[in-house]
Amino acid sequence: QVQLQESGPRQVNPSETLSLTCTVSGGSISNYYWSWMRQPPGSGLESIGYIYYSGSTNSNPSLKSRVTISVDTSNNQFSLKMRSVTAADTAVYYCARARTAWGAFDIWGQGTLVTVSS
Amino acid sequence: ENVLTQSPATLSLSPGERATLSCRASQSVSNYLAWYQQKPGQAPRLLIYDASNRATGIPARFSGSGSGTDFTLTISSLEPEDFAVYYCQQRNNWPPTFGPGTKVDIK
Repeated sequence: QVQLQESGPRQVNPSETLSLTCTVSGGSISNYYWSWMRQPPGSGLESIGYIYYSGSTNSNPSLKSRVTISVDTSNNQFSLKMRSVTAADTAVYYCARARTAWGAFDIWGQGTLVTVSS
Repeated sequence: ENVLTQSPATLSLSPGERATLSCRASQSVSNYLAWYQQKPGQAPRLLIYDASNRATGIPARFSGSGSGTDFTLTISSLEPEDFAVYYCQQRNNWPPTFGPGTKVDIK
């Protein structure tokens, strides 16, 4: 069965760039939409953006100026870069799969807590 | 942005009881609404998509209804493993948004 696994640094300094990769195993990255979500500690869920396997992408307008999402089909991976982070970006970051650009998200990674702190 | 509100914030029930959770959208989402279950330290799990369709492997005690702006998730008879936080999510408007969640806890 398809599984997703987030990887990347767990701590990022303020003003620097957060970088995460999601590896898709047990299936192909083709023909699906791949998304990033985040959840600050004790809070609700926020959509960051998505990418289609072909490379088309979109990001939440609230984050768009700081976010880049890319895909590497040869390695079955997609990635998130978020620039100029602050403490408000501290959250559990999830990658997820959907059949349409905007959900529903049927498979999720386990999530990774990224802390923005010096 | 389409804002989703959920009620109640907390629902205290006993195993075997019926749970009724509500989700209201600030703008119509047609039937493009999903429900997720999240347990502590875990990722959300898709329960219902497009308002009333159960996701793969979801027990029949979970059902969804509604359209437009008002939606309901019903758990017909609570099992011990159902005590969790439930979120609704709309995919009719960009960006997709989630409700703040309803916590179902043990009475």
